[in-house]
Amino acid sequence: AQTVTQSQPEMSVQEAETVTLSCTYDTSESDYYLFWYKQPPSRQMILVIRQEAYKQQNATENRFSVNFQKAAKSFSLKISDSQLGDAAMYFCAYRRNNAGNMLTFGGGTRLMVKP
Amino acid sequence: DAGVIQSPRHEVTEMGQEVTLRCKPISGHDYLFWYRQTMMRGLELLIYFNNNVPIDDSGMPEDRFSAKMPNASFSTLKIQPSEPRDSAVYFCASSAGYLEAFFGQGTRLTVV
Repeated sequence: AQTVTQSQPEMSVQEAETVTLSCTYDTSESDYYLFWYKQPPSRQMILVIRQEAYKQQNATENRFSVNFQKAAKSFSLKISDSQLGDAAMYFCAYRRNNAGNMLTFGGGTRLMVKP
Repeated sequence: DAGVIQSPRHEVTEMGQEVTLRCKPISGHDYLFWYRQTMMRGLELLIYFNNNVPIDDSGMPEDRFSAKMPNASFSTLKIQPSEPRDSAVYFCASSAGYLEAFFGQGTRLTVV
């Protein structure tokens, strides 16, 4: 079974600074997707970024980027120029690219942004 | 598309009552997931469907929980009888193939 681990229950960052959230996963598969989701207080789950395992290039979406280390099974999220609206729970998720591909989530990291 | 639509947004019920949660996935999506979120256990996958067929229901806590997907545009999650420990936020999500899942706004269930 696949497992996803987020070792940082809480993180704090100063507005306009950069923060990195960690995620590791365990799988024997070679073809899969990794995601970061954001859950603000409204509780809506919002996709932040997606990474295909077969791509070596790290995904980037505006101020959000990932550091994907396939051999190390690591998938961290970097938020640059942090904004107050970035304060939320962040969940790392794994999904393999074949049949039986449920979406497995980590335990989440609560990000606080200080003005 | 309006996204994944769940109803109701909030549900308060008494222990022992039947509760039905509803979900309308995004049109054209062939996967549908039901998740439960609690402080203690985080996000747990309860069951998921592919083309209206249940694929894995190993996450369903016990026989009190059941889920159906009678057609591509509707799914229900039923709890009968409900218990206080079922109190949680229940999310429905859908996806097109193996890509990212899009979530509804969730149903906050409180069983008193």
